[in-house]
Amino acid sequence: GAGVSQSPSNKVTEKGKDVELRCDPISGHTALYWYRQSLGQGLEFLIYFQGNSAPDKSGLPSDRFSAERTGGSVSTLTIQRTQQEDSAVYLCASSWTALTGELFFGEGSRLTVL
Amino acid sequence: ELKVEQNPLFLSMQEGKNYTIYCNYSTTSDRLYWYRQDPGKSLESLFVLLSNGAVKQEGRLMASLDTKARLSTLHITAAVHDLSATYFCAVDRAGYALNFGKGTSLLVTP
Repeated sequence: GAGVSQSPSNKVTEKGKDVELRCDPISGHTALYWYRQSLGQGLEFLIYFQGNSAPDKSGLPSDRFSAERTGGSVSTLTIQRTQQEDSAVYLCASSWTALTGELFFGEGSRLTVL
Repeated sequence: ELKVEQNPLFLSMQEGKNYTIYCNYSTTSDRLYWYRQDPGKSLESLFVLLSNGAVKQEGRLMASLDTKARLSTLHITAAVHDLSATYFCAVDRAGYALNFGKGTSLLVTP
């Protein structure tokens, strides 16, 4: 596609429920990233994929968070048993390769946990 | 751990004025990026600085990089309202991802 596409754009859920956030990167981009943006906290790195592998998942806040990428394309970030502190905007980005550095971001999925 | 600090975090300035946003980082890196984010929108790449002494300019914005001082600046010349946004600097993290500063929220007023 023309840009990085994320869905849903907004998600409201109850505490304890599981949520899945989807990212469709720019076609041909091999590197994919998830970041979390909380008010006043900037962007927090969560996980990086090169192809379908995740060489660095050090930013995932807890074992409730997981992510996968299939076919070197679409990625899903899953949050189990959501907590209120998970409320944030989850941003996905992609780049041609990991070494180029310049990231192209989607518009994000805003998650609200009640 | 790579830390990226921006200042100021909030900036209100009048149209026509000049100002500089600073970005300091804690470990050696030769690559630094500036992004812009409008409210409710995603991040848009502004500048990619790839070496010591690099300077890039686009319209009223100019970015520079001093890798020895671990400092980048984003200079705004004769600000206009359209520049109101949040500006992030980001530093190469281990060669494959970026660590971001907290962002500078810029408001340009008449």
